[in-house]
Amino acid sequence: DIQMTQSPSTLSASVGNRLTITCRASRSISSWLAWYQQKPGKAPKLLIYKASTLEYGVPSRFSGSGSGTEFTLTISSLQPDDFATYYCQQYNNNPWTFGQGTTVEIK
Amino acid sequence: EVQLVESGGGLVQPGGSLRVSCAASGFSASSTYMNWVRQAPGKGLEWVSFIDKGGRTFYADSVKGRFTISRDNSKNTLYLEMNRLRAEDTAVYYCARKPYGDYAIDHWGQGTLVTVSS
Repeated sequence: DIQMTQSPSTLSASVGNRLTITCRASRSISSWLAWYQQKPGKAPKLLIYKASTLEYGVPSRFSGSGSGTEFTLTISSLQPDDFATYYCQQYNNNPWTFGQGTTVEIK
Repeated sequence: EVQLVESGGGLVQPGGSLRVSCAASGFSASSTYMNWVRQAPGKGLEWVSFIDKGGRTFYADSVKGRFTISRDNSKNTLYLEMNRLRAEDTAVYYCARKPYGDYAIDHWGQGTLVTVSS
């Protein structure tokens, strides 16, 4: 199975900050990577697929990059609605594995 | 509008069985990958299983041989039959759609809680 490792696990930030979350795959997944946002008690929401394609309706302050084994999710200017947990997921190989999550907290 | 509505969760004893359902609307569940993803209390997301448009099924190692995913095309409904349940299967179970092509999982249900406890 492909292991997905996110860093950091927790991140404290302020409104307006630029932040970056990293996701590493244990072997190459080409660009078959998605990013999700989840808020407490809610289902995850797709933000980005195929490593860098923004899902329809997602604000442009979110962006994704990378290929192979290293990927990043960047929020250019953190907004109050962005405090949540973020997950990466590879869908190159079965089983489609998730990272362990990165929680973005208010500083 | 795409909607996924899960049902059937509840309390079950260790070793018991339960079937959860997911009613899909706004699209044909037989034309996409349909998935089950679970989340234990306070933990991260774990992909459990999918069924593709051809009816092929795949499972996480943690549930292989105990869980069975199926789909009723006439009802546009997805199922997950869970047998020999363990305490570690306690989780919110989400039904989720992944279209073919470049797309990732793009729609999720609200989830149904399965609790395995005596």
